[in-house]
Amino acid sequence: QQPVQSPQAVILREGEDAVINCSSSKALYSVHWYRQKHGEAPVFLMILLKGGEQKGHDKISASFNEKKQQSSLYLTASQLSYSGTYFCGTDPTNAGGTSYGKLTFGQGTILTVHP
Amino acid sequence: NAGVTQTPKFRVLKTGQSMTLLCAQDMNHEYMYWYRQDPGMGLRLIHYSVGEGTTAKGEVPDGYNVSRLKKQNFLLGLESAAPSQTSVYFCASSGRTSEQFFGPGTRLTVL
Repeated sequence: QQPVQSPQAVILREGEDAVINCSSSKALYSVHWYRQKHGEAPVFLMILLKGGEQKGHDKISASFNEKKQQSSLYLTASQLSYSGTYFCGTDPTNAGGTSYGKLTFGQGTILTVHP
Repeated sequence: NAGVTQTPKFRVLKTGQSMTLLCAQDMNHEYMYWYRQDPGMGLRLIHYSVGEGTTAKGEVPDGYNVSRLKKQNFLLGLESAAPSQTSVYFCASSGRTSEQFFGPGTRLTVL
């Protein structure tokens, strides 16, 4: 089942902050975050793993609440280059405890940053 | 180091025609994936592979077949194209428990 992202769209001025949320109905092994600009491929931002490990860009932070199967992406001091569509991808826990990166993506959050 | 490449970039097919999309990666990744993305929607997983010679179904596998004869290549085939398969197709690869690297995409139109 597809994770639910909120909000669907955000409009910011440069320097403002934003939070994008991702909620799943399944127990999760990991949550991935990607940004996609129009006509381009998705680009990796952050991965949050069950147990607390995180990997990603220094200027972007995120949280993962394993009990609630929720993740949030925090964009601070936004820049024009942050504009794009943000997707979370959820990787459910399987019985064997391994992950094959079978991501189910949310519908996306469109972020627009104005000067 | 090219990362993930896809061939072709654009293609127009008539209903019933067949074609193969090629994905290649030079990062020695174990896992490879094929997604489709329709306007205004997120990516949906078609098929994936966890190693050379192995493939598995994703969320929307019907109408597609895949093969991974070499570790660096992952092929997606459409045996009899339908207008509903008009989409942008992305290939991705990853190591274990790591981020996915996406190719530039193939824009397919089925008339």
